[in-house]
Amino acid sequence: GQQVMQIPQYQHVQEGEDFTTYCNSSTTLSNIQWYKQRPGGHPVFLIQLVKSGEVKKQKRLTFQFGEAKKNSSLHITATQTTDVGTYFCAGVRTGTASKLTFGTGTRLQVTL
Amino acid sequence: EAGVAQSPRYKIIEKRQSVAFWCNPISGHATLYWYQQILGQGPKLLIQFQNNGVVDDSQLPKDRFSAERLKGVDSTLKIQPAKLEDSAVYLCASSPIAGTRGETQYFGPGTRLLVL
Repeated sequence: GQQVMQIPQYQHVQEGEDFTTYCNSSTTLSNIQWYKQRPGGHPVFLIQLVKSGEVKKQKRLTFQFGEAKKNSSLHITATQTTDVGTYFCAGVRTGTASKLTFGTGTRLQVTL
Repeated sequence: EAGVAQSPRYKIIEKRQSVAFWCNPISGHATLYWYQQILGQGPKLLIQFQNNGVVDDSQLPKDRFSAERLKGVDSTLKIQPAKLEDSAVYLCASSPIAGTRGETQYFGPGTRLLVL
Protein backbone atom coordinates (compact mmCIF):
# COMPACT_ATOMS: atom_id res chain seq x y z
CA GLY A 1 0.00 0.00 0.00
CA GLN A 2 0.91 3.63 -0.19
CA GLN A 3 3.42 4.86 2.37
CA VAL A 4 4.19 8.45 3.29
CA MET A 5 7.29 9.01 5.38
CA GLN A 6 8.47 12.19 7.04
CA ILE A 7 11.83 13.19 8.42
CA PRO A 8 12.88 14.10 10.96
CA GLN A 9 10.54 12.49 13.49
CA TYR A 10 11.35 15.16 16.03
CA GLN A 11 13.20 18.46 16.06
CA HIS A 12 13.97 20.81 18.89
CA VAL A 13 15.00 24.35 17.94
CA GLN A 14 15.66 27.63 19.69
CA GLU A 15 13.19 30.38 18.92
CA GLY A 16 14.34 32.28 15.84
CA GLU A 17 15.99 29.28 14.18
CA ASP A 18 14.68 27.82 10.95
CA PHE A 19 12.97 24.43 10.63
CA THR A 20 12.33 22.08 7.71
CA THR A 21 10.38 18.84 7.48
CA TYR A 22 10.51 16.55 4.46
CA CYS A 23 7.79 14.27 3.17
CA ASN A 24 8.26 11.35 0.78
CA SER A 25 5.59 9.20 -0.83
CA SER A 26 6.06 5.72 -2.26
CA THR A 27 3.60 6.59 -5.05
CA THR A 28 2.91 9.58 -7.28
CA LEU A 29 0.42 11.99 -5.76
CA SER A 30 -2.31 14.07 -7.36
CA ASN A 31 -1.98 16.57 -4.57
CA ILE A 32 -0.49 16.95 -1.13
CA GLN A 33 -1.87 18.68 1.93
CA TRP A 34 -0.18 19.85 5.11
CA TYR A 35 -1.77 19.83 8.55
CA LYS A 36 -0.65 21.06 11.95
CA GLN A 37 -1.65 19.35 15.16
CA ARG A 38 -1.02 21.11 18.45
CA PRO A 39 -0.39 18.92 21.52
CA GLY A 40 -3.74 17.46 22.61
CA GLY A 41 -5.48 18.98 19.59
CA HIS A 42 -6.73 17.86 16.24
CA PRO A 43 -5.19 18.29 12.78
CA VAL A 44 -5.79 21.70 11.23
CA PHE A 45 -5.44 22.22 7.50
CA LEU A 46 -2.60 24.51 6.42
CA ILE A 47 -2.33 24.27 2.65
CA GLN A 48 -2.79 22.14 -0.46
CA LEU A 49 -0.31 21.81 -3.33
CA VAL A 50 -1.43 20.45 -6.68
CA LYS A 51 1.06 21.31 -9.41
CA SER A 52 4.46 19.78 -9.99
CA GLY A 53 7.18 22.06 -8.59
CA GLU A 54 4.62 24.31 -6.90
CA VAL A 55 5.82 26.64 -4.14
CA LYS A 56 3.43 28.42 -1.80
CA LYS A 57 4.12 30.79 1.08
CA GLN A 58 2.12 31.63 4.16
CA LYS A 59 3.93 34.31 6.14
CA ARG A 60 6.94 32.45 7.62
CA LEU A 61 5.93 29.07 6.15
CA THR A 62 7.07 27.91 2.71
CA PHE A 63 5.65 24.77 1.14
CA GLN A 64 7.07 22.99 -1.87
CA PHE A 65 5.82 20.12 -4.04
CA GLY A 66 8.46 18.10 -5.86
CA GLU A 67 8.78 17.92 -9.64
CA ALA A 68 7.92 14.22 -9.64
CA LYS A 69 4.97 14.82 -7.28
CA LYS A 70 6.32 12.26 -4.82
CA ASN A 71 7.86 14.55 -2.23
CA SER A 72 7.20 17.79 -0.45
CA SER A 73 8.72 20.04 2.17
CA LEU A 74 7.65 22.59 4.73
CA HIS A 75 10.11 25.25 5.83
CA ILE A 76 9.49 27.62 8.72
CA THR A 77 11.67 30.73 8.92
CA ALA A 78 12.48 32.19 12.31
CA THR A 79 10.42 29.82 14.43
CA GLN A 80 8.25 31.07 17.26
CA THR A 81 6.88 29.23 20.29
CA THR A 82 3.47 29.27 18.62
CA ASP A 83 4.88 26.96 15.93
CA VAL A 84 5.07 24.09 18.42
CA GLY A 85 3.16 21.02 17.29
CA THR A 86 3.30 18.08 14.92
CA TYR A 87 3.30 18.76 11.21
CA PHE A 88 1.78 16.13 8.96
CA CYS A 89 1.83 15.90 5.22
CA ALA A 90 -1.05 13.97 3.68
CA GLY A 91 -1.07 12.77 0.11
CA VAL A 92 -3.84 11.87 -2.28
CA ARG A 93 -2.68 9.08 -4.56
CA THR A 94 -3.45 9.63 -8.22
CA GLY A 95 -6.75 7.98 -9.10
CA THR A 96 -8.14 7.69 -5.59
CA ALA A 97 -11.15 9.82 -4.72
CA SER A 98 -9.73 12.20 -2.10
CA LYS A 99 -8.40 9.45 0.16
CA LEU A 100 -5.69 11.06 2.26
CA THR A 101 -2.75 9.03 3.48
CA PHE A 102 -1.10 10.85 6.34
CA GLY A 103 2.63 10.89 6.85
CA THR A 104 4.37 9.85 10.00
CA GLY A 105 4.61 13.45 11.21
CA THR A 106 7.39 15.69 12.48
CA ARG A 107 7.10 16.97 16.03
CA LEU A 108 8.54 20.45 16.48
CA GLN A 109 9.56 21.81 19.85
CA VAL A 110 10.58 25.45 20.14
CA THR A 111 12.20 26.88 23.23
CA LEU A 112 13.20 30.43 24.14
CA GLU B 1 -20.01 28.32 11.22
CA ALA B 2 -20.04 25.44 13.67
CA GLY B 3 -17.23 22.93 13.37
CA VAL B 4 -17.30 19.14 13.41
CA ALA B 5 -18.81 17.89 16.65
CA GLN B 6 -17.85 14.62 18.32
CA SER B 7 -18.93 12.87 21.47
CA PRO B 8 -17.93 11.63 23.89
CA ARG B 9 -14.57 13.37 24.25
CA TYR B 10 -13.15 10.63 26.46
CA LYS B 11 -14.06 7.01 27.06
CA ILE B 12 -12.51 4.33 29.23
CA ILE B 13 -13.71 0.74 28.80
CA GLU B 14 -12.47 -2.74 29.53
CA LYS B 15 -11.41 -5.08 26.79
CA ARG B 16 -14.22 -7.07 25.18
CA GLN B 17 -16.72 -4.29 25.95
CA SER B 18 -18.50 -2.29 23.25
CA VAL B 19 -18.23 1.41 22.57
CA ALA B 20 -19.81 3.87 20.15
CA PHE B 21 -18.71 7.28 18.96
CA TRP B 22 -20.84 9.96 17.36
CA CYS B 23 -19.95 12.62 14.82
CA ASN B 24 -21.90 15.55 13.41
CA PRO B 25 -20.09 17.07 10.42
CA ILE B 26 -20.16 20.66 9.27
CA SER B 27 -23.57 21.49 7.82
CA GLY B 28 -23.74 20.78 4.11
CA HIS B 29 -20.57 18.68 3.96
CA ALA B 30 -21.18 15.63 1.80
CA THR B 31 -18.12 13.65 2.77
CA LEU B 32 -17.39 12.27 6.22
CA TYR B 33 -14.29 10.44 7.37
CA TRP B 34 -13.39 8.42 10.45
CA TYR B 35 -9.71 8.18 11.36
CA GLN B 36 -7.84 6.29 14.05
CA GLN B 37 -4.80 8.05 15.48
CA ILE B 38 -2.57 5.98 17.71
CA LEU B 39 -0.25 7.96 19.97
CA GLY B 40 2.79 9.20 18.08
CA GLN B 41 1.43 8.31 14.65
CA GLY B 42 -0.46 10.04 11.88
CA PRO B 43 -4.20 9.57 11.45
CA LYS B 44 -5.18 6.40 9.61
CA LEU B 45 -8.37 6.41 7.55
CA LEU B 46 -10.89 3.84 8.71
CA ILE B 47 -13.87 4.69 6.54
CA GLN B 48 -15.04 7.40 4.15
CA PHE B 49 -18.67 8.19 3.38
CA GLN B 50 -20.03 10.32 0.62
CA ASN B 51 -23.54 11.26 1.63
CA ASN B 52 -24.80 7.95 3.07
CA GLY B 53 -22.72 5.66 0.85
CA VAL B 54 -19.36 4.10 1.71
CA VAL B 55 -16.53 5.24 -0.58
CA ASP B 56 -13.64 3.46 1.12
CA ASP B 57 -13.55 1.09 4.07
CA SER B 58 -10.49 -0.91 3.07
CA GLN B 59 -8.71 -0.25 6.37
CA LEU B 60 -11.69 -0.83 8.65
CA PRO B 61 -11.30 -4.02 10.77
CA LYS B 62 -14.75 -5.24 9.87
CA ASP B 63 -14.75 -8.12 12.34
CA ARG B 64 -15.08 -5.62 15.18
CA PHE B 65 -15.61 -2.14 13.75
CA SER B 66 -18.75 -0.86 12.08
CA ALA B 67 -19.90 2.57 10.97
CA GLU B 68 -23.02 4.06 9.55
CA ARG B 69 -24.28 7.34 8.19
CA LEU B 70 -27.91 6.55 7.64
CA LYS B 71 -29.34 9.93 6.65
CA GLY B 72 -26.19 11.30 5.08
CA VAL B 73 -25.57 13.68 7.98
CA ASP B 74 -24.27 12.45 11.31
CA SER B 75 -22.44 9.19 11.77
CA THR B 76 -21.62 6.60 14.40
CA LEU B 77 -18.57 4.38 14.69
CA LYS B 78 -18.83 1.26 16.86
CA ILE B 79 -16.26 -1.15 18.21
CA GLN B 80 -17.47 -4.52 19.44
CA PRO B 81 -15.63 -6.13 21.16
CA ALA B 82 -12.80 -3.73 21.97
CA LYS B 83 -9.18 -4.85 22.22
CA LEU B 84 -6.28 -3.23 24.03
CA GLU B 85 -4.75 -2.12 20.72
CA ASP B 86 -7.88 -0.07 19.95
CA SER B 87 -6.71 2.54 22.45
CA ALA B 88 -6.35 5.66 20.31
CA VAL B 89 -7.98 8.94 19.39
CA TYR B 90 -10.84 8.55 16.94
CA LEU B 91 -11.11 11.58 14.71
CA CYS B 92 -14.04 12.51 12.55
CA ALA B 93 -13.54 14.87 9.62
CA SER B 94 -15.74 16.28 6.92
CA SER B 95 -15.29 18.01 3.58
CA PRO B 96 -17.71 19.73 1.24
CA ILE B 97 -17.39 17.33 -1.70
CA ALA B 98 -15.03 14.60 -2.75
CA GLY B 99 -13.29 14.88 -6.04
CA THR B 100 -10.27 13.26 -7.57
CA ARG B 101 -7.93 15.95 -6.29
CA GLY B 102 -8.97 15.83 -2.69
CA GLU B 103 -10.64 18.44 -0.58
CA THR B 104 -9.67 20.22 2.61
CA GLN B 105 -10.75 18.14 5.55
CA TYR B 106 -12.06 19.74 8.72
CA PHE B 107 -11.41 17.68 11.83
CA GLY B 108 -13.42 17.39 15.00
CA PRO B 109 -11.81 17.39 18.47
CA GLY B 110 -11.69 13.59 18.55
CA THR B 111 -12.70 10.93 21.06
CA ARG B 112 -9.88 9.61 23.21
CA LEU B 113 -10.45 5.90 23.89
CA LEU B 114 -8.58 3.92 26.51
CA VAL B 115 -9.13 0.16 26.62
CA LEU B 116 -8.02 -1.51 29.86
